[in-house]
This record gives sequence, C-alpha cells and structure tokens, in this order.
Amino acid sequence: AQSVTQLDSQVPVFEEAPVELRCNYSSSVSVYLFWYVQYPNQGLQLLLKYLSGSTLVKGINGFEAEFNKSQTSFHLRKPSVHISDTAEYFCAVSEGGSEKLVFGKGTKLTVNP
Amino acid sequence: GAVVSQHPSWVICKSGTSVKIECRSLDFQATTMFWYRQFPKQSLMLMATSNEGSKATYEQGVEKDKFLINHASLTLSTLTVTSAHPEDSSFYICSSDRGETQYFGPGTRLLVL
Repeated sequence: AQSVTQLDSQVPVFEEAPVELRCNYSSSVSVYLFWYVQYPNQGLQLLLKYLSGSTLVKGINGFEAEFNKSQTSFHLRKPSVHISDTAEYFCAVSEGGSEKLVFGKGTKLTVNP
Repeated sequence: GAVVSQHPSWVICKSGTSVKIECRSLDFQATTMFWYRQFPKQSLMLMATSNEGSKATYEQGVEKDKFLINHASLTLSTLTVTSAHPEDSSFYICSSDRGETQYFGPGTRLLVL
C-alpha cells in the first residue's frame, strides 16, 4: 500500500531565505506526485505535479520540486520565500491508474519577517 | 487549472438535523468527484468517491447511511450529513477529478451544536 511521509510538521524560516519541504513516498508501482497548498480556512490549491517526463517540475508562486525515483522522494523547494507563502503544504501521491490520492500529514511553513 | 465551488462555505446547525453540501465543477464535466474530511491541524481523510450516475464508493469506516452522496450530473455532487451530531463538526472538502489531477473546492465548515 502506498504511503506518504512529510518529515517536518513545522518549518519556520525568515523572509527571502530558501526553503525545502521534504516528502517521501512508498509504492511498488509507478506513481503520480502532487504538492498542494492550503491557506487558513480554505481548500487546497495545486502547486505542481509530476506525472512523467522531466523530473524537475516547476509550479506556481516560484515553487519547484524534483522527483527522485531511487530515493522515492519529491521534495518541494523555493529559493526565496515571502511572508505570503505562510501556509500548510501537503504532498500527495496516486498510483498510476488510480484516481485516489493519499496525502501526507502536511508541513506548516511559517515565514517570519 | 480547474474551478470547483462548494456551497455553503459555513453552516451551523442543531444536533439531529440534516445538512446538504454542494460541490460544483464550474468549467469542466467531472465523472468522478471526491469527498474529504479534515480535522483541525490534520491531513485530509478521503470519505468517499462519487461517480456520476452510480452509487458512491465509501472508504472503510465511513457510514454510508450517515453521509449520503449523490452525483446526479456531471457538474454537481452533494454530500448530506444526516442527523448531524457535534462529532460531525469538521471541515468538508470536495474535489473533482480532471485527467490525473484533482482540483479542490474551497471547503465547507460544519458546526453542529
């Protein structure tokens, strides 16, 4: 069965610093990988996704993620964060051919001035 | 991306009453929609998969008689929480499946008094 581990429940950083939010998954088959962002009291917004092709995926708001099959990871990065990036970030995976998403527990990113 | 709406965004009801939440796919036809529940500071828990024109598929542990799902058209799925109790208070989020990607609604916060 597939599972998703987000290693950090909280990540505090200063504004304009780089950030990496870690995500590892376990699956025995090919997967699709997603990062979603959730602002307080709102639904989830898709940041980026990996379906196939280039392992480096660029998303909205300056975020990018790299799929590493050998390490079963899909870490999210941004070179310089803003106060407005403060939110909860969820990594999710679906096994190829399945519509269901399995979510990690989320990482709360707090950007301080 | 794709646009998914939910209505209402907030609902407060008395214990024992039923509450209906609507999920609409505004710019594409969705044969499959999903309903999630999110407890404070936790990840999303898949409740059920809603398929247009057929019965919903519920996840293990979710009471199908309590959480009634109807997907009568390609753009609308409804979740009815029947005989609501305080423990049903939660944040309910729907998503629509477009290709390999799920797009989420803004969520509905339910408070049962």
